[in-house]
Amino acid sequence: NAGVTQTPKFQVLKTGQSMTLQCAQDMNHEYMSWYRQDPGMGLRLIHYSVGAGITDQGEVPNGYNVSRSTTEDFPLRLLSAAPSQTSVYFCASSPRTGGTDTQYFGPGTRLTVL
Amino acid sequence: SQQGEEDPQALSIQEGENATMNCSYKTSINNLQWYRQNSGRGLVHLILIRSNEREKHSGRLRVTLDTSKKSSSLLITASRAADTASYFCAPLQTGGFKTIFGAGTRLFVKA
Repeated sequence: NAGVTQTPKFQVLKTGQSMTLQCAQDMNHEYMSWYRQDPGMGLRLIHYSVGAGITDQGEVPNGYNVSRSTTEDFPLRLLSAAPSQTSVYFCASSPRTGGTDTQYFGPGTRLTVL
Repeated sequence: SQQGEEDPQALSIQEGENATMNCSYKTSINNLQWYRQNSGRGLVHLILIRSNEREKHSGRLRVTLDTSKKSSSLLITASRAADTASYFCAPLQTGGFKTIFGAGTRLFVKA
């Protein structure tokens, strides 16, 4: 198993550009989530999904969209990038709905918005 | 969902010493998990303790849970330089399904 994979590893955007961060897992996990981590800070939950077709907002959802058309994939879309979205983004998955079991994290995507 | 608050924010010890980190939370929980994050990497699950457990061990890790005080502690015995990392607790609220992380404890183990 590859576990949780994220692409790209690094990305630089200009203010106003849009892009999609990819996340995929091959463990057939129902629960997937996106976090952002700013320097020296903890993780903040952006969006999460408890299964294909079901998504919900976390702590800091503004400026981000998600969809879950398959169990495996959970892309995060930045609609119009802003410097405040400069951060490291982590995707995670878990076997059962939300945090009951261990969360498995991807390696992260480092995003810089100029 | 609820967030755990770790204490202290930072901890610096010598190799071989024990490191203790604490976590407090606000409401009743199903379980509480501890994660480790090495610099620049994703979080790695360390240990899960359920609400009906008081203590759990895994190698050099010992976790306690006191539901009456709504607190947990993580003890790393005989620390090593490789234990240098940030440590996060993640309490799962009863009936909840989101995992919210706090700011973590940054542990630095000096060789």
